[in-house]
Amino acid sequence: AQKITQTQPGMFVQEKEAVTLDCTYDTSDQSYGLFWYKQPSSGEMIFLIYQGSYDEQNATEGRYSLNFQKARKSANLVISASQLGDSAMYFCAMREGRVTPLVFGKGTRLSVIA
Amino acid sequence: DTGVSQNPRHKITKRGQNVTFRCDPISEHNRLYWYRQTLGQGPEFLTYFQNEAQLEKSRLLSDRFSAERPKGSFSTLEIQRTEQGDSAMYLCASSLFGLPGSSGYEQYFGPGTRLTVT
Repeated sequence: AQKITQTQPGMFVQEKEAVTLDCTYDTSDQSYGLFWYKQPSSGEMIFLIYQGSYDEQNATEGRYSLNFQKARKSANLVISASQLGDSAMYFCAMREGRVTPLVFGKGTRLSVIA
Repeated sequence: DTGVSQNPRHKITKRGQNVTFRCDPISEHNRLYWYRQTLGQGPEFLTYFQNEAQLEKSRLLSDRFSAERPKGSFSTLEIQRTEQGDSAMYLCASSLFGLPGSSGYEQYFGPGTRLTVT
């Protein structure tokens, strides 16, 4: 079974609009963490946001917020006020327990339209 | 803080040749990770170090692959007798684990080394 599922291969959003990228995860650990990374065409993975399983509040970092719904095992990324520079691949990832290597989903390609 | 660097950025080699990649992590980071990313996929974990100790190796890391981090700073990943299936982007990441003020779980990636085996 896939540990991280990203069901949207591609998404389009109008500049200045908000967009939600979906991520569901599968783990039996009580302690885990969820990450979102951005990968522009240059190839570098850029860390965006992190949510620990025991964090009671949803994580936010500037225009990025993570909509964490533990019972549904979902960790959706919300980007507010989209910019042209947000066009990239976005990957959801998870660490389980204190194991720190990350397991990644297949990614969602976001295209921001002017 | 200059970020994680990787060299070379691109490598083209013929099948059967050996290749070596280098990763320089963020200077104070004690953990260093290697991942491999093929087209259309997310990165897949290969191995990681805490300081100079190699703590875990994925089953993806066949015996043709070897990684070292001899002084707990930079790391090298060597692939012997390359095969066409080794063509991929090899990503290095580092993190600061186990120290106050850091969750230690955020990993910061380098730009990657793109390997093409012909």
